[in-house]
Amino acid sequence: AQSVTQLGSHVSVSEGALVLLRCNYSSSVPPYLFWYVQYPNQGLQLLLKYTSAATLVKGINGFEAEFKKSETSFHLTKPSAHMSDAAEYFCAVTWGGATNKLIFGTGTLLAVQP
Amino acid sequence: GAGVSQSPRYKVAKRGQDVALRCDPISGHVSLFWYQQALGQGPEFLTYFQNEAQLDKSGLPSDRFFAERPEGSVSTLKIQRTQQEDSAVYLCASSKQGDQPQHFGDGTRLSIL
Repeated sequence: AQSVTQLGSHVSVSEGALVLLRCNYSSSVPPYLFWYVQYPNQGLQLLLKYTSAATLVKGINGFEAEFKKSETSFHLTKPSAHMSDAAEYFCAVTWGGATNKLIFGTGTLLAVQP
Repeated sequence: GAGVSQSPRYKVAKRGQDVALRCDPISGHVSLFWYQQALGQGPEFLTYFQNEAQLDKSGLPSDRFFAERPEGSVSTLKIQRTQQEDSAVYLCASSKQGDQPQHFGDGTRLSIL
């Protein structure tokens, strides 16, 4: 079955440090890929998306992600963490089709230490 | 409104009761999705509508779950004879077309006692 794996359910970084959140998908067919952020008691907000254009995708709040087909990965990065980045981050994929339903990873909770 | 609106935000029900959760998508969005998010997990797909047609209900966990979107706008997710395992956050999302990014509401947190 097609799936998404997020390595590391909890990641802690210092303010100003690099943020790296990992996402891998299982399929030989490149999917559409997304990163969403979820703040407590809120819905999911789209950070960025990859839809087979440029492999390096820039999103909101200084985040970016690089699609690497050879590694079936779509890791999320930010050069310098800010306290306001503390939230849960979800990688999601869809392989299109009639439904375009999203398949989500289990999420990574990012903590930012002062 | 500008975003996807869900109501109620919180719902507490006793086991065995029926509940109804409402989703008001972004105006003009053709596609509507329901997801279930258990505590500490990522959202899981329940069902999908294109306008008023329910094209995919493969994620509904049992026949106690029923969704409708009769006029192609507002959608209701109904759960009959609720069980404790139904406790979760139910998220609604909409998009302009099926392949456009999905915009999520804040969810309904359902607690079954």
